[in-house]
Amino acid sequence: GAGVSQSPSNKVTEKGKDVELRCDPISGHTALYWYRQSLGQGLEFLIYFQGNSAPDKSGLPSDRFSAERTGGSVSTLTIQRTQQEDSAVYLCASSFPSGGQETQYFGPGTRLLVL
Amino acid sequence: RKEVEQDPGPFNVPEGATVAFNCTYSNSASQSFFWYRQDCRKEPKLLMSVYSSGNEDGRFTAQLNRASQYISLLIRDSKLSDSATYLCVVRTGGYQKVTFGTGTKLQVIP
Repeated sequence: GAGVSQSPSNKVTEKGKDVELRCDPISGHTALYWYRQSLGQGLEFLIYFQGNSAPDKSGLPSDRFSAERTGGSVSTLTIQRTQQEDSAVYLCASSFPSGGQETQYFGPGTRLLVL
Repeated sequence: RKEVEQDPGPFNVPEGATVAFNCTYSNSASQSFFWYRQDCRKEPKLLMSVYSSGNEDGRFTAQLNRASQYISLLIRDSKLSDSATYLCVVRTGGYQKVTFGTGTKLQVIP
């Protein structure tokens, strides 16, 4: 199917290493979101891309986190010098504007464990 | 005050019961509202949008109260398969950034 895909599905890394998480949105979706969800917690907004506009980075928790979206499609979330508190599920979602009632379609997430 | 607030629950209800969740939002300029469902260790999926006049989809009814700034979700004749976390979602502003509530956990008991 042509849903949102994310890779890797699971990532185990050592504290201090950098990680890159990838999101392939649904083709044609101009909006892309990254969220973080810690165990048993709600979704924490990280960053939002909409078309060619400057991204809304207001949710990024520190300057160790960055994201880019190349060609308005694939997005990469990078976490530098990972810390144990970065362990969470990182979810990507995409949507296409439709008068405010657009649905966000989520990928399966990347489960990150920082040892 | 959080932008979107929900009672985390859990709500433990017997099969066949009717259960309702509320969600309050802080920004009176909020424009669009949704309920998403998230199963354990799965990604969230849209359950239903919430329209100003209220809307129904089978056993599920969603309502919006702009004056009191809350939305509600009513589930009738609960099924075991309704067990999940229900996320309230609010969109505010001229673009499509949305805010998720932390979710209300529902457990339907046989």
